Amino acid sequence: GAGVSQSPSNKVTEKGKDVELRCDPISGHTALYWYRQSLGQGLEFLIYFQGNSAPDKSGLPSDRFSAERTGGSVSTLTIQRTQQEDSAVYLCASSLSRGEVGIQYFGAGTRLSVL
Amino acid sequence: DAKTTQPNSMESNEEEPVHLPCNHSTISGTDYIHWYRQLPSQGPEYVIHGLTSNVNNRMASLAIAEDRKSSTLILHRATLRDAAVYYCILRDVEGNTGKLIFGQGTTLQVKP
Repeated sequence: GAGVSQSPSNKVTEKGKDVELRCDPISGHTALYWYRQSLGQGLEFLIYFQGNSAPDKSGLPSDRFSAERTGGSVSTLTIQRTQQEDSAVYLCASSLSRGEVGIQYFGAGTRLSVL
Repeated sequence: DAKTTQPNSMESNEEEPVHLPCNHSTISGTDYIHWYRQLPSQGPEYVIHGLTSNVNNRMASLAIAEDRKSSTLILHRATLRDAAVYYCILRDVEGNTGKLIFGQGTTLQVKP
């Protein structure tokens, strides 16, 4: 079946512009996660959605970052006034459950380059 | 979540077994041991997980020490496609969001 889909696969933007990154999770998965992977920081958690519960935003690095999940499915990560340090691969994952055995399935990521 | 320690890199020859170690001396009784791997230019993928007993699946085996302070991921016959970064991650069974906390992982190089 279809896996986690992310778009665009690559995004080049100018410093100060806003960007939106999209994630289509696996159908039926109630949990959705955003991570980012940069050279200096490795793979780090950003935000988590579980059903209708309030999202866990504890990993967002600043208030320029926000995310929404509409209808319990598609999610959009928005970065406002992008900075060069925002350059990274942004990864989305989904899971059937959040528990200890909730296997996370990752998309291929969006590579963001801020010039 | 408890911290894990892995070697930065390892090498293996194709078609030979590979043992990837992970130390987690501060593991708690409710922590599961998960392994993910990340192939070049791809997102991470789940490999295997366990709690106390050794586990086998089609991808690999997981050997867990009796005191649970260490574990070893075993690839029985390495292929070139197994070249990846392997992450050992502890996940609390209780009260967390299920987010994965990645360390630096072990970069496995497989030589033909």
